[in-house]
Amino acid sequence: GEDVEQSLFLSVREGDSSVINCTYTDSSSTYLYWYKQEPGAGLQLLTYIFSNMDMKQDQRLTVLLNKKDKHLSLRIADTQTGDSAIYFCAAGFEGNAGKSTFGDGTTLTVKP
Amino acid sequence: EAGVAQSPRYKIIEKRQSVAFWCNPISGHATLYWYQQILGQGPKLLIQFQNNGVVDDSQLPKDRFSAERLKGVDSTLKIQPAKLEDSAVYLCASSLDGSGQVNEQFFGPGTRLTVL
Repeated sequence: GEDVEQSLFLSVREGDSSVINCTYTDSSSTYLYWYKQEPGAGLQLLTYIFSNMDMKQDQRLTVLLNKKDKHLSLRIADTQTGDSAIYFCAAGFEGNAGKSTFGDGTTLTVKP
Repeated sequence: EAGVAQSPRYKIIEKRQSVAFWCNPISGHATLYWYQQILGQGPKLLIQFQNNGVVDDSQLPKDRFSAERLKGVDSTLKIQPAKLEDSAVYLCASSLDGSGQVNEQFFGPGTRLTVL
């Protein structure tokens, strides 16, 4: 089955850019997602990218997809303390969001 | 619009006891999901409902876990009997229609279960 890997921790200074990386194994994944989870809360979908795209930008968020290497990244520009959270990468298939496989999450700490 | 509601927020039980969790999805959402999130891991799908029918329960440990979604709205997830390894956060999510392309799931705050 699909396997999604992420680095566990990332620490940055406020105002810097953050880059969170993810790799997946199933090349037939058609949707790649980024979720944010704040303490004591459920997951919130931040953004997603289709497998036929290389890049997607949404305000401070930039998603890059290297389909050949099965590598996904999330860049957060001008990182703020409110961005401190756990970020999950997930890989899914067309037609059923519930079939997504999640990574174990990257804890982003933003220092003032 | 109101979000996904779950109760209780926290539950502590002893092994071999039973426990039930409740979820009220966003009004009008046809698809409901239950996930298990063990500390330090990503969510794992346990069961997916489309209205009141089960779409996928392949990862549900059916010898001890059960779930139902009566009338296609609220849902309950039950564990009987609980084991130590069931300690986790149980997340409920809902979406408009699970058969769509990018089908945004809205998550509830979860129920944190501790089995002693």
